[in-house]
Amino acid sequence: AQSVTQPDIHITVSEGASLELRCNYSYGATPYLFWYVQSPGQGLQLLLKYFSGDTLVQGIKGFEAEFKRSQSSFNLRKPSVHWSDAAEYFCAVGANTGTASKLTFGTGTRLQVTL
Amino acid sequence: GAGVSQSPSNKVTEKGKDVELRCDPISGHTALYWYRQSLGQGLEFLIYFQGNSAPDKSGLPSDRFSAERTGGSVSTLTIQRTQQEDSAVYLCASSPRTSGVETQYFGPGTRLLVL
Repeated sequence: AQSVTQPDIHITVSEGASLELRCNYSYGATPYLFWYVQSPGQGLQLLLKYFSGDTLVQGIKGFEAEFKRSQSSFNLRKPSVHWSDAAEYFCAVGANTGTASKLTFGTGTRLQVTL
Repeated sequence: GAGVSQSPSNKVTEKGKDVELRCDPISGHTALYWYRQSLGQGLEFLIYFQGNSAPDKSGLPSDRFSAERTGGSVSTLTIQRTQQEDSAVYLCASSPRTSGVETQYFGPGTRLLVL
């Protein structure tokens, strides 16, 4: 069964600083990887996804993530954080079991941005 | 176009009562998913519907939980004899489900509080 680990529960960065959120996955086959963001009281919004091809993927709001198979990682990065980026970030791995297409989520990383 | 909608936004109920949560997927999406997000937890898969196929109920935590999808569109998640541990945010998502793993589009969720 697949699993996702987000080792950082809470991260605080200053506005304008760079950001990296860690995600490690466990999955026997080629993973389908996602990053979602959840603002307070909101549902989840897709930031970016990796299915195949270029291992560096670009997403919305200036985010990018790099798939590293050798490290089983899919870390999310942003060169300069804005105060509006404060939210909770979830990494997920997708599995197609034939009859179902499930996402397994990490426990999330809460990002706080100081001015 | 319209996204995934859920109702009610918030629900407060007394222990032992039954509750129904509703999800309207994106028009044309054949796959529908329910997840539960408990405080401090990641998202937990509950159930998956795909077209006219039998639903994947493997994530339902107990027989107090059930879900149906009428006409291949709207879905209702029912929790019978609610318990305090059922308090959580219940998220619905949909996807086109053309093939394989797809991006899931999430609704804003229903926040359930069981007193």
